[in-house]
Amino acid sequence: EDKVVQSPLSLVVHEGDTVTLNCSYEVTNFRSLLWYKQEKKAPTFLFMLTSSGIEKKSGRLSSILDKKELFSILNITATQTGDSAVYLCAVGRGGGTSYGKLTFGQGTILTVHP
Amino acid sequence: DADVTQTPRNRITKTGKRIMLECSQTKGHDRMYWYRQDPGLGLRLIYYSFDVKDINKGEISDGYSVSRQAQAKFSLSLESAIPNQTALYFCATSGDLGTDTQYFGPGTRLTVL
Repeated sequence: EDKVVQSPLSLVVHEGDTVTLNCSYEVTNFRSLLWYKQEKKAPTFLFMLTSSGIEKKSGRLSSILDKKELFSILNITATQTGDSAVYLCAVGRGGGTSYGKLTFGQGTILTVHP
Repeated sequence: DADVTQTPRNRITKTGKRIMLECSQTKGHDRMYWYRQDPGLGLRLIYYSFDVKDINKGEISDGYSVSRQAQAKFSLSLESAIPNQTALYFCATSGDLGTDTQYFGPGTRLTVL
């Protein structure tokens, strides 16, 4: 059974802090790992990673994948109150009828105080 | 206009009632998905469809059914709603085979009393 585990489950920081969110996975026929940000509504796409060691970056957010150790991290530097959200990690499988399906982790609730 | 829309956005119903949640998309994607979200459990896949003639069960399909009326429309039905189906329901779409990125609708908050 596919498994995606995120840690920590919740995190409270102050503006300006740097945070690291973790996602580990056990998936047959791994194809991709995705990060989403969910504020009060729909999850919005942040990154998709398919190759180990290549950092993806968007502003203050960055993410990297380690396919050997089966995990990814999402870093947010100089946090702002607008970064408060649930961050979801999902893993996509390749092959057959599983192609295109995502398995999600539980999410990390990030709260940034002014 | 939003690319993925869901109706209704909120619904309160009673145990035993039949409920339909609707999803429409203007992204031109073939693949559509229904998820439910419960606190602390992330998103769990209910059903998915890779084209109009292809419907597949996800990990928690019991008590649900779906209909893919057209490429752009995918409906989720609760045949006889029960209180533990109270949750936030999301529809999602994805496009070509080269990417796993899914795009989500705004969600439907369903409460079963």
